[in-house]
Amino acid sequence: QSVLTQPPSVSGAPGQRVTISCTGSSSNIGAGYDVHWYQQLPGTAPQLLIYGDSNRPSGVPDRFSGSKSGTSASLAITGLQAEDEADYYCQSYDSSLSASVFGGGTKLTVL
Amino acid sequence: QVTLKESGPVLVKPTETLTLTCTVSGFSLSNARMGVSWIRQPPGKALEWLAHIFSNDEKSYSTSLKSRLTISKDTSKSQVVLTMTNMDPVDTATYYCARINDGYDSSGYYNWFDPWGQGTLVTVSS
Repeated sequence: QSVLTQPPSVSGAPGQRVTISCTGSSSNIGAGYDVHWYQQLPGTAPQLLIYGDSNRPSGVPDRFSGSKSGTSASLAITGLQAEDEADYYCQSYDSSLSASVFGGGTKLTVL
Repeated sequence: QVTLKESGPVLVKPTETLTLTCTVSGFSLSNARMGVSWIRQPPGKALEWLAHIFSNDEKSYSTSLKSRLTISKDTSKSQVVLTMTNMDPVDTATYYCARINDGYDSSGYYNWFDPWGQGTLVTVSS
């Protein structure tokens, strides 16, 4: 059971927009701690996709965006492409655990 | 270019101790506020943070695994070592090391992991 809750799967057709939610609690996202997102392509290590709620590292397309409100955060992907098919993980800090925490991951399928 | 690479045994027996090494390049473990984390991922499952160590030797461990983990560094070799005692088949996972980027902003403490090593799959079986 992950501290941060994500939907197990989402899907969309090429060109569409999808969102992935990440729900936490008052000791992590709700406390204001930053949320970060990682993309894990099949058979590879996770890569940073979004940091500090909504910032993109250099090289990440602006089709990817992040937001946060209350105890939840979201990752939005617009103009869906086949190469976006991957697992996506959110991550934050939890003050009760004094630890970094991850979501359970969401598998994105491009139809 | 910052890179990290994990190394260690592919197979360990139950009750044995696992020792993993993360060799870093492109940055020094002695630089101010430089840190490395270990994160694992059982096959088909989610990521789990295990431990981290910073240049000032500040260490932190997952609460659930704290009694079994030890993290250390050898700055001269640019290596971070993680040991996990009393291995069990449920510890079968890909183990990653990653550089920590952390600090404080208006929201409080933050940290994220970038870049990551390629990972090393460790199987626990007799």
